[in-house]
Amino acid sequence: KAGVTQTPRYLIKTRGQQVTLSCSPISGHRSVSWYQQTPGQGLQFLFEYFSETQRNKGNFPGRFSGRQFSNSRSEMNVSTLELGDSALYLCASSQRPSQETQYFGPGTRLLVL
Amino acid sequence: SQQGEEDPQALSIQEGENATMNCSYKTSINNLQWYRQNSGRGLVHLILIRSNEREKHSGRLRVTLDTSKKSSSLLITASRAADTASYFCATGEFSGGYNKLIFGAGTRLAVHP
Repeated sequence: KAGVTQTPRYLIKTRGQQVTLSCSPISGHRSVSWYQQTPGQGLQFLFEYFSETQRNKGNFPGRFSGRQFSNSRSEMNVSTLELGDSALYLCASSQRPSQETQYFGPGTRLLVL
Repeated sequence: SQQGEEDPQALSIQEGENATMNCSYKTSINNLQWYRQNSGRGLVHLILIRSNEREKHSGRLRVTLDTSKKSSSLLITASRAADTASYFCATGEFSGGYNKLIFGAGTRLAVHP
């Protein structure tokens, strides 16, 4: 089975722009979670989607949003980018929501200038 | 916010030596997991130990959990250069019907040939 894929792998944006990141889960996995990783804050949970519904949300501002499609693929969007949004964004999938073991993609590295 | 805190932050050893990393957490947990991350890439799940288990083995990995002390340790025996990576503990918290993974800051392990 193919693993979790994320596109794009690298992205450079400027402050004020918006960005959309994509995640395709492992075939058969219907739950997708997103995490932000920065040197200062470490790995932080953004949100989890299952059956096109947001099931769980971390403590991030409303500029961070996501959605899930009927084929379980997920996108996350960050509007009005700030320098502090520079990070590695990781997507993880599992078969069921809130399942214990997460399977991670390689991440999208976002640099905001 | 981070739940687990790993200790040490960085560890440097020679091939063949054992590596021990510790994780402490603050609240009640359902399970504790260890993940590995190679140089800014995605995380790989290593092992999960449930709150009612005290020790678990997987190949060269040994994990212990002491819920009374709210701590866990990961032992890698006979380390190899390929074990060079960052290691994260993650606690599974179940609240409001959802399970969420809370990651620690990680231990950077360098194994020298």
